[in-house]
Amino acid sequence: AQSVTQPDIHITVSEGASLELRCNYSYGATPYLFWYVQSPGQGLQLLLKYFSGDTLVQGIKGFEAEFKRSQSSFNLRKPSVHWSDAAEYFCAVGEYGNKLVFGAGTILRVKS
Amino acid sequence: GAVVSQHPSWVICKSGTSVKIECRSLDFQATTMFWYRQFPKQSLMLMATSNEGSKATYEQGVEKDKFLINHASLTLSTLTVTSAHPEDSSFYICSARDNWRETQYFGPGTRLLVL
Repeated sequence: AQSVTQPDIHITVSEGASLELRCNYSYGATPYLFWYVQSPGQGLQLLLKYFSGDTLVQGIKGFEAEFKRSQSSFNLRKPSVHWSDAAEYFCAVGEYGNKLVFGAGTILRVKS
Repeated sequence: GAVVSQHPSWVICKSGTSVKIECRSLDFQATTMFWYRQFPKQSLMLMATSNEGSKATYEQGVEKDKFLINHASLTLSTLTVTSAHPEDSSFYICSARDNWRETQYFGPGTRLLVL
């Protein structure tokens, strides 16, 4: 069965500092991988996705993620965090855009 | 592009009443839509997969007679919570699958409070 692990429940970074949110997945075939962001009381916004090809994918808002098959990871990164990035981030694995299995989420706090 | 709307955004109802939530894909057609439920401080749990013109597929443990899903057109799916009880209070989020982009796009969610 597919599963997604986001080991960090909360992360706090200073504004302007770099960010890395971890995501590990378990999936039998080549996964479709996604990162979504959710602000309080809102739906989810797609940040980026990986289906195939270049393992470093660029997303919106300056985010990027790198697919590492050997580590079953798809970590999200941003070189310089802004206060508006404070939100909850979900990693998800999907099968051809069908059902998505979500990780538990990582809450990002940004301190000024 | 790829905008999904939900209506209403907030609903408060009395116990025993039914509540209908609409999910619309505004700028693309979606043969498949999904309904999720999210409890406070938790991740999204898939409730059911809604396929246009056919019966929905429910996840294990989700009562299909309690959560009625209709997907009558390529841009609209509805979730009806029948005879709602306080334990049904939650944040319900839909998503619509854009086949061309092979991606799910999410609605803004509906917060349901059953008194």
